[in-house]
Amino acid sequence: ILNVEQSPQSLHVQEGDSTNFTCSFPSSNFYALHWYRWETAKSPEALFVMTLNGDEKKKGRISATLNTKEGYSYLYIKGSQPEDSATYLCAFTGSARQLTFGSGTQLTVLP
Amino acid sequence: SQTIHQWPATLVQPVGSPLSLECTVEGTSNPNLYWYRQAAGRGLQLLFYSVGIGQISSEVPQNLSASRPQDRQFILSSKKLLLSDSGFYLCAWSRQGHTGELFFGEGSRLTVL
Repeated sequence: ILNVEQSPQSLHVQEGDSTNFTCSFPSSNFYALHWYRWETAKSPEALFVMTLNGDEKKKGRISATLNTKEGYSYLYIKGSQPEDSATYLCAFTGSARQLTFGSGTQLTVLP
Repeated sequence: SQTIHQWPATLVQPVGSPLSLECTVEGTSNPNLYWYRQAAGRGLQLLFYSVGIGQISSEVPQNLSASRPQDRQFILSSKKLLLSDSGFYLCAWSRQGHTGELFFGEGSRLTVL
């Protein structure tokens, strides 16, 4: 059983604050690491797919880093806005090519 | 462009009744198809995936089953629902041979009473 852990479980920040959260995953048999954003009443949507150690991806105010040797990824949100409120899921793909999801970080941005 | 639809969106069923959730994908061919479940307070758990018509792999032993009668149709079924089957079910697809990025349907909320 693959262990994909996300922390914190939930987070409340003020509008304008920057924040980050963590995904840890097995450091062996790595193939890809995904980040998804899941807004209430919508479907999860992919933010990033990262495959190489040291990868850094950016989309607007959101960025992510990847360390496959130690088995962690960080997601950063700069200048959080209320529309960033969502559950952020990471998912690990190993040699079996199937995604194993973490339980998510629920972010609430207060106006 | 590709689209994915699943239905029904919400379902309230008594224990012991059957279940059928349907999912269809448009705008692509030979997709990988998946059924995930989110139980309360937990992440997404892979239930079934399919790489082609009639090819189903089960990840978790349970009283659910899946079928893929057509290339872009994926069905989740049960003959007799249990209370523990309550949850939020998501269908998803991915392209063959890619990094596995998933595209999700709208989800189906199942409550078993």
